[in-house]
Amino acid sequence: QKEVEQDPGPLSVPEGAIVSLNCTYSNSAFQYFMWYRQYSRKGPELLMYTYSSGNKEDGRFTAQVDKSSKYISLFIRDSQPSDSATYLCAMKRDDKIIFGKGTRLHILP
Amino acid sequence: NAGVMQNPRHLVRRRGQEARLRCSPMKGHSHVYWYRQLPEEGLKFMVYLQKENIIDESGMPKERFSAEFPKEGPSILRIQQVVRGDSAAYFCASSHNSQNTEAFFGQGTRLTVV
Repeated sequence: QKEVEQDPGPLSVPEGAIVSLNCTYSNSAFQYFMWYRQYSRKGPELLMYTYSSGNKEDGRFTAQVDKSSKYISLFIRDSQPSDSATYLCAMKRDDKIIFGKGTRLHILP
Repeated sequence: NAGVMQNPRHLVRRRGQEARLRCSPMKGHSHVYWYRQLPEEGLKFMVYLQKENIIDESGMPKERFSAEFPKEGPSILRIQQVVRGDSAAYFCASSHNSQNTEAFFGQGTRLTVV
């Protein structure tokens, strides 16, 4: 079993819809949880990070962590075509950041 | 405030040659991570360095790969005697300290071995 599991997609949703992206993990040692966005042929861009269970909101983005279920989510409200990218979840343990494979998201105009 | 700078952006090497990838962290950052990304794959951890020290190299192949982060100058990822399977995008990230989870990435170096 991989430490971090993420559905690669692709996920296609119409513009304006709410997007839900998810990851599961197996190692309880993970302490910090992050979401990165990566456009084609670009470096990953940090969107959000959190270290506790619960919700964290930043504009149209909400990160949710459920440590008891080992499950994290990223919600995007009022999705835009410019949100089309690959979204990578990442988790930190022992100074090492482990990434999911990424979910390719397409927002349809 | 410049971000993480990686160069070259694109690198073509023939099989058997050496590849040197450079990463200049953000100003004030003393921690550097290197990752490899294959098409349709996530980022695979390779090595974590602080100035003049390798902290965790558990993701580095045992042969041909090495990394350094000298007191002065950029971090270097060195691949000796490259093979076609080394073709990938190599990203580095930097952070202020090990507790700071805000690791910022560069734009990557795309290595092609022909």
